[in-house]
Amino acid sequence: KAGVTQTPRYLIKTRGQQVTLSCSPISGHRSVSWYQQTPGQGLQFLFEYFSETQRNKGNFPGRFSGRQFSNSRSEMNVSTLELGDSALYLCASSLGDLKNIQYFGAGTRLSVL
Amino acid sequence: TQLLEQSPQFLSIQEGENLTVYCNSSSVFSSLQWYRQEPGEGPVLLVTVVTGGEVKKLKRLTFQFGDARKDSSLHITAAQPGDTGLYLCAGPLEYGNKLVFGAGTILRVKS
Repeated sequence: KAGVTQTPRYLIKTRGQQVTLSCSPISGHRSVSWYQQTPGQGLQFLFEYFSETQRNKGNFPGRFSGRQFSNSRSEMNVSTLELGDSALYLCASSLGDLKNIQYFGAGTRLSVL
Repeated sequence: TQLLEQSPQFLSIQEGENLTVYCNSSSVFSSLQWYRQEPGEGPVLLVTVVTGGEVKKLKRLTFQFGDARKDSSLHITAAQPGDTGLYLCAGPLEYGNKLVFGAGTILRVKS
């Protein structure tokens, strides 16, 4: 069974640009969550999508958005990039049930110059 | 202030030593999870503890959930260089998969 796949693995952007990250969950998983990991703030929850609907949202500005497709694949978009957006963005998939067992991808390393 | 406080932040020990990592909160969690993350990779789930007082063993790793479900610990016996990594505890906040993470413990085991 294939794991969670995130593309691309690395990205370099400049301030003001926008970026789209992609996540393919484990087959059969309907929930996809996104996290931002930085040395200063650690792992922080961005949002969760379940069956194409945003089910939970963290405390990030509106520049961070996402969506989920009917095949459960998810994309995350960050507009008007700032230097502070440089981070490892992690996607986690799960069945979406109360057991809440999440499986993480390897992440996308975003550097904003 | 972190909802989940982990200690210590950093541990550097010799191969064969024992260690304990702590994860504490003032809030009650329905469950707590422990992950290990290696450089350049995403966190890998080690265990989920659900019942207050529960103890789970995974080879040389022993996980305990506090009776009041506010704290957890990870004990490693006879640490090996392969145990090196970032250890994270996490718990669900609300309905759905919103996990809050501790800041993590960086473990380095020297041979």
